[in-house]
Amino acid sequence: AQTVTQSQPEMSVQEAETVTLSCTYDTSENNYYLFWYKQPPSRQMILVIRQEAYKQQNATENRFSVNFQKAAKSFSLKISDSQLGDTAMYFCAFMRFGDSNYQLIWGAGTKLIIKP
Amino acid sequence: SAVISQKPSRDICQRGTSLTIQCQVDSQVTMMFWYRQQPGQSLTLIATANQGSEATYESGFVIDKFPISRPNLTFSTLTVSNMSPEDSSIYLCSVEGLAGGLETQYFGPGTRLLVL
Repeated sequence: AQTVTQSQPEMSVQEAETVTLSCTYDTSENNYYLFWYKQPPSRQMILVIRQEAYKQQNATENRFSVNFQKAAKSFSLKISDSQLGDTAMYFCAFMRFGDSNYQLIWGAGTKLIIKP
Repeated sequence: SAVISQKPSRDICQRGTSLTIQCQVDSQVTMMFWYRQQPGQSLTLIATANQGSEATYESGFVIDKFPISRPNLTFSTLTVSNMSPEDSSIYLCSVEGLAGGLETQYFGPGTRLLVL
């Protein structure tokens, strides 16, 4: 069975700083997808970034990038030039490649606070 | 990505009553998912609802407590029956989707339920 671990319950940084959220996972699968979702206080769960395990190149989306270390089963999220609007819960999630059931395995989440 | 709406956005209910939550999508989807999220916690999948078939419930969730309807490809309801204070949670609807060609899930804004 797959598991996803986020070891940082809460983090806070000053606006404009760079912050890295950690995520590790356990799986015996070779192909899979990894996701970072953001849930601001408004509750809307928003997909931030995604990574295919068979791609070595780290995914980037504007100020958001990941450091994907497949051998170490690590998938950290880096937020550059953090903004007040980045304040949210961040969830790491795993999905098996080709899962017709679209099942996501979720981490416990990291609460990120951006301070002005 | 799909646009998903949920009704109601929040409600306060008395114990012993039932509440039906609606989830509407702006496009046809095969799979819809219902999650429960306790305050400050991660997401727990309640069930997967495919149009034209019975919902598939996860361990710990039963149809008598959480009946689900899926009458067409754009709509689903989740009923929380015979509520108790322990049912106080955020209930999220999500749907299958593709993000850059990768299977993923897109989420509605959630329903915040408080049971007194």
